[in-house]
Amino acid sequence: GEDVEQSLFLSVREGDSSVINCTYTDSSSTYLYWYKQEPGAGLQLLTYIFSNMDMKQDQRLTVLLNKKDKHLSLRIADTQTGDSAIYFCAESYNAGNNRKLIWGLGTSLAVNP
Amino acid sequence: DVKVTQSSRYLVKRTGEKVFLECVQDMDHENMFWYRQDPGLGLRLIYFSYDVKMKEKGDIPEGYSVSREKKERFSLILESASTNQTSMYLCASSYLWGPNQETQYFGPGTRLLVL
Repeated sequence: GEDVEQSLFLSVREGDSSVINCTYTDSSSTYLYWYKQEPGAGLQLLTYIFSNMDMKQDQRLTVLLNKKDKHLSLRIADTQTGDSAIYFCAESYNAGNNRKLIWGLGTSLAVNP
Repeated sequence: DVKVTQSSRYLVKRTGEKVFLECVQDMDHENMFWYRQDPGLGLRLIYFSYDVKMKEKGDIPEGYSVSREKKERFSLILESASTNQTSMYLCASSYLWGPNQETQYFGPGTRLLVL
């Protein structure tokens, strides 16, 4: 079945770049997503990429998509302590007449001063 | 801005109680979802609804039911709460149609403790 995998933990120093990786299985996905969850809060949509794109940049965030390898990455430039959170990767898939999201387990990013 | 609100941030209930979790969205979204989030298990879909009075089971519907009487409101019901339902509950909504139909917007979550 469909699956999304991502590493569970990442630790970086403040000011460095962070790269969070994700692999997915459904080649029919139209959108792939990155969500951010701060402690005790709900999920916040961070960015997404359409499946016919290779790259998307949004200020400090860069999303790279390698469709051949079904690999998605999120790069955060100049990582700040406020970026400490759990980052979820998600892919869309067909569920009958609807489309739903399959979620990775989340990568916990720790930013050390 | 999309706004999804949940009736409580924290709830403490006793085993066997009936529990209602309410979710309201203001974006006229057709789809609404209930997830639970547990450490090491990520987000698991309990139920979703794509229209008023319509519902479909997600991956872990056992022990839960839902109600969608109005488009903007989606309720999750624990008929008889058990300790293994202690969790963070997240509500989300999205459009059914359109170019961005899959993008889900989340509420702040309800942390439920069942004693």
